[in-house]
Amino acid sequence: DAGVIQSPRHEVTEMGQEVTLRCKPISGHDYLFWYRQTMMRGLELLIYFNNNVPIDDSGMPEDRFSAKMPNASFSTLKIQPSEPRDSAVYFCASSFSGAANSPLHFGNGTRLTVT
Amino acid sequence: GQQVMQIPQYQHVQEGEDFTTYCNSSTTLSNIQWYKQRPGGHPVFLIQLVKSGEVKKQKRLTFQFGEAKKNSSLHITATQTTDVGTYFCAGNYGGSQGNLIFGKGTKLSVKP
Repeated sequence: DAGVIQSPRHEVTEMGQEVTLRCKPISGHDYLFWYRQTMMRGLELLIYFNNNVPIDDSGMPEDRFSAKMPNASFSTLKIQPSEPRDSAVYFCASSFSGAANSPLHFGNGTRLTVT
Repeated sequence: GQQVMQIPQYQHVQEGEDFTTYCNSSTTLSNIQWYKQRPGGHPVFLIQLVKSGEVKKQKRLTFQFGEAKKNSSLHITATQTTDVGTYFCAGNYGGSQGNLIFGKGTKLSVKP
């Protein structure tokens, strides 16, 4: 089991540029979550999917953020245009079930720096 | 919205000393999960508590869930340098993992 795979590990971009973060969940996991981690706000849930369908995107900061899951093995989080305040570590996580007792398996994260 | 408060924010201990971090919610939780994040790493699931008053142990780690299911603690006995990292509690308010709210974490440093 390779675990949740995220790419890239690091991304440095200039303000105004489009950024795309990628995630491959653990095979067989039908829930996928995108989190953002900052020192000030901690771990925040941005959006989560069940069977490729977005269930709750109320954590998405604004219209500049969008997420897709075209199939069971791939998801993207896009920021367009990016701003310096988007700098953070973005984690993707998956779980076998969305039930309250199902642990989250996190990827290694993408550290985004917007200058 | 729902919040899970975690204290302390930082804890510095000498190797061999004990360590405890506390989580508190203003409303009843359906369960609470604990995660550990090593420096530069990602959160890794440690354990889940579901029942009122539940106590679980993993070697030197002891996890407790309060009787009212509003608070929880993680206690590490005789810390080691391998315990370094940030410990997060995550409270679930029911239904699904989409209702999981993470505390801000306690960053533990251990001086050898």
